[in-house]
Amino acid sequence: DAGVIQSPRHEVTEMGQEVTLRCKPISGHNSLFWYRQTMMRGLELLIYFNNNVPIDDSGMPEDRFSAKMPNASFSTLKIQPSEPRDSAVYFCASSLGYQPYNEQFFGPGTRLTVL
Amino acid sequence: KQEVTQIPAALSVPEGENLVLNCSFTDSAIYNLQWFRQDPGKGLTSLLLIQSSQREQTSGRLNASLDKSSGRSTLYIAASQPGDSATYLCAVIDYKLSFGAGTTVTVRA
Repeated sequence: DAGVIQSPRHEVTEMGQEVTLRCKPISGHNSLFWYRQTMMRGLELLIYFNNNVPIDDSGMPEDRFSAKMPNASFSTLKIQPSEPRDSAVYFCASSLGYQPYNEQFFGPGTRLTVL
Repeated sequence: KQEVTQIPAALSVPEGENLVLNCSFTDSAIYNLQWFRQDPGKGLTSLLLIQSSQREQTSGRLNASLDKSSGRSTLYIAASQPGDSATYLCAVIDYKLSFGAGTTVTVRA
C-alpha cells in the first residue's frame, strides 16, 4: 500500500497568491482529515470528510481556506489569498470507517512557506 | 474543550534505558487514544491505538496503558535504541483527534 500521498512536499509562495495542496488517501478509506502543524499551536484539525462529504469544518481558520473532496481518492485544500501566517506544515490523514476515532494514517505533509 | 498535556517536553537517556512518556487529558469521555512518532521534517507514524475499553496495548518493545477515569496514558519503550530518537505525540479521540505538544526523545549511544 502506498500510504497517504500528498503533493507538493514543499511550497514557497508570495503573499496574496493562491495555494492548492493535494491529497490522495489510502485506497478504501472512508474518512479524510486535513491538519495544520505549527510550532505555536501544534497539530490542529482543520476539516474532515466522510464519504467525500465535509462533516466538521470548525477548524478552518477563515474564509480564505476551503477544502473539497470530489471523489474518494482525491482532496484539495486551497488558501486564497495566502498570508505569511499560513506558513505551516499541512498534513492529510485517512482512516477506514465512518467515525473519526478509527486509527488514522498520516501523509508526509506539505511544508508551506508564504513570503 | 479537550486539553492534552505531555510531560516531559524533552527527554534524553542513554541507550538501553527504558523510556516512560506521559500523556494526560481533561475530558475522560473519549473513544480511543493513539500514540504517534514524528521524525524531524517527516509525517506522523502511528504506533499504537488503544480503544477506550482497553487498558493497554503492546507492539514489540512498545507498551501503552490507558486509564480513562484518571485521564492518563503512558507509553513505555523498553531497551531504548538511538533509532528511537524522535518526537512522540499522543492524540485523544472523542469526536476528533486532539494532540498533545509531544515529548522529544534523544537516546544517546
